[in-house]
Amino acid sequence: GAGVSQTPSNKVTEKGKYVELRCDPISGHTALYWYRQSLGQGPEFLIYFQGTGAADDSGLPNDRFFAVRPEGSVSTLKIQRTERGDSAVYLCASSPYDTYEQFFGPGTRLTVL
Amino acid sequence: AQTVTQSQPEMSVQEAETVTLSCTYDTSESDYYLFWYKQPPSRQMILVIRQEAYKQQNATENRFSVNFQKAAKSFSLKISDSQLGDAAMYFCAYRRRGAQKLVFGQGTRLTINP
Repeated sequence: GAGVSQTPSNKVTEKGKYVELRCDPISGHTALYWYRQSLGQGPEFLIYFQGTGAADDSGLPNDRFFAVRPEGSVSTLKIQRTERGDSAVYLCASSPYDTYEQFFGPGTRLTVL
Repeated sequence: AQTVTQSQPEMSVQEAETVTLSCTYDTSESDYYLFWYKQPPSRQMILVIRQEAYKQQNATENRFSVNFQKAAKSFSLKISDSQLGDAAMYFCAYRRRGAQKLVFGQGTRLTINP
């Protein structure tokens, strides 16, 4: 079946702009995760959804970052007033509830000029 | 807080040879999972192998095996009969039982020399 998809693949924006990154999880997966991977680093956890609710948002760096999953499927990560330090690859993953394998998408590379 | 450390930024190996990637972690928990993920240039993280902390037997998946030393908090990955397709970034990751987030190491870039 189809894997996790993320759009866009690449996004270039200017400092101060607003961006939205989209994640389509594997059908039927109730858990969804966002990670951020800076250049040369491992992914860092941002937020975890179980169904429609954010069960753990402890990784969001500040209030410019926000994520939603209104119908328990597609999720959108929203970044306001982007800064150059937000440049990174944003990875989305999904999993069936209460299992330990997370299936990752190909990520969105965000570049803030 | 849990941390994962990969002390080898880069490794290289001849095709068909064996290579071992190192990983150490720090946790006060006794029940957790450990993982090795592969990230090729396509950026998509692929699960290579996983280990449950309560299991003493080391996990194996075809050419991939781990050496899990719980007391030493060490979790190394051995790749046997290396193939060109094994070239990628490899990340060690930790997840506490009951939690959902993965904690990743910094990664090791593996190069396979033909």
